[in-house]
Amino acid sequence: ETGVTQSPTHLIKTRGQQVTLRCSSQSGHNTVSWYQQALGQGPQFIFQYYREEENGRGNFPPRFSGLQFPNYSSELNVNALELDDSALYLCASSPGRGSSYNEQFFGPGTRLTVL
Amino acid sequence: AQTVTQSQPEMSVQEAETVTLSCTYDTSESDYYLFWYKQPPSRQMILVIRQEAYKQQNATENRFSVNFQKAAKSFSLKISDSQLGDAAMYFCAYRRYTSGSRLTFGEGTQLTVNP
Repeated sequence: ETGVTQSPTHLIKTRGQQVTLRCSSQSGHNTVSWYQQALGQGPQFIFQYYREEENGRGNFPPRFSGLQFPNYSSELNVNALELDDSALYLCASSPGRGSSYNEQFFGPGTRLTVL
Repeated sequence: AQTVTQSQPEMSVQEAETVTLSCTYDTSESDYYLFWYKQPPSRQMILVIRQEAYKQQNATENRFSVNFQKAAKSFSLKISDSQLGDAAMYFCAYRRYTSGSRLTFGEGTQLTVNP
């Protein structure tokens, strides 16, 4: 069973540019969540997708947007990059909604540096 | 809004000794989950242990156990027989009981294990 994968591993952008980060969810998982982890801090929830629709959003501006595809992989897009967007971006997938507990499985993250 | 606080930015322990990491949280919910995650230098977030708030019994996973005090909103992690591989950043996290909801993380505790 393949775990959660993210690409790229690292990337460097300049202020004002746009970036797309990608996440492949674990087999059988239809829910994907994205988190931003600034250096030395805990992850902060950006948004979650369930069956291709946004299903909750954290306190992030609209220039942070996402997509989920029919195969449940996902993209995180950030427009007009700012220096403070430099962080580790984590993707987590889970088996789906329901009243029972659904463990989130995390990918290794993408390290974004904005210069 | 829920908040999670880890008051120990750094902790150290001798190999084979026991260490306790502290976590407090704030919520108005009665049903929720609490977690401890481990993030080694590889950056991959790994679930260590989880606790359902409706369960009075403290969760245990091998050398890892928790002390869950619901009234005090306290959730500490005890690592027994510490091993060099336990060295990592540890995050306490909260999740509402309703499915698909976000994880709220604390700021983390960096654990060093001395040989």
